Amino acid sequence: EAQVTQNPRYLITVTGKKLTVTCSQNMNHEYMSWYRQDPGLGLRQIYYSMNVEATDKGDVPEGYKVSRKEKRNFPLILESPSPNQTSLYFCASSLIRGAQETQYFGPGTRLLVL
Amino acid sequence: EDKVVQSPLSLVVHEGDTVTLNCSYEVTNFRSLLWYKQEKKAPTFLFMLTSSGIEKKSGRLSSILDKKELFSILNITATQTGDSAVYLCAVAGRDDKIIFGKGTRLHILP
Repeated sequence: EAQVTQNPRYLITVTGKKLTVTCSQNMNHEYMSWYRQDPGLGLRQIYYSMNVEATDKGDVPEGYKVSRKEKRNFPLILESPSPNQTSLYFCASSLIRGAQETQYFGPGTRLLVL
Repeated sequence: EDKVVQSPLSLVVHEGDTVTLNCSYEVTNFRSLLWYKQEKKAPTFLFMLTSSGIEKKSGRLSSILDKKELFSILNITATQTGDSAVYLCAVAGRDDKIIFGKGTRLHILP
């Protein structure tokens, strides 16, 4: 089954404790992206990647890192999480680039930083 | 600064009504516009629009893009309670960035 998976689905952590949210897709998609969704602010793009070893900042990259060492995986790293990073995070992928192909979204990761 | 603005932010109608959701944008090097439906989970794709004036249709939903006036509308006819959701508009622009609007929360009363 074609899908985008994220882990963990829920995470409660404390300020400053490094964490990684994994994202994996099995569709051989080139484009992958991370978003955060906050009430009243909608979905905002954090980072995206057009292919292996090619990553770019989205609108809200501060406090986040990503890597794309393999085509299928695109982990999101919070080196020193802060409470303002409490949010719902979505990973998405698409075949070619951006919105030229529909994006498939993962199920979301709900993060609470205390 | 690139932006996507959706209106209204929230809408409550009765089952059977027709609704029109709006999305206007100011995005450098526009490439395409997408509509998504989000219930209590991840967004799901509805339409992708790249050319002006060509209506995309799927059942009771339809959408059209006006690249001259920089907006798109999403129409839902004969609404049903299952149409209750947040509808998101997104635009792909320069450098492959994707910008989402804040969404329109639609609630259909039985």
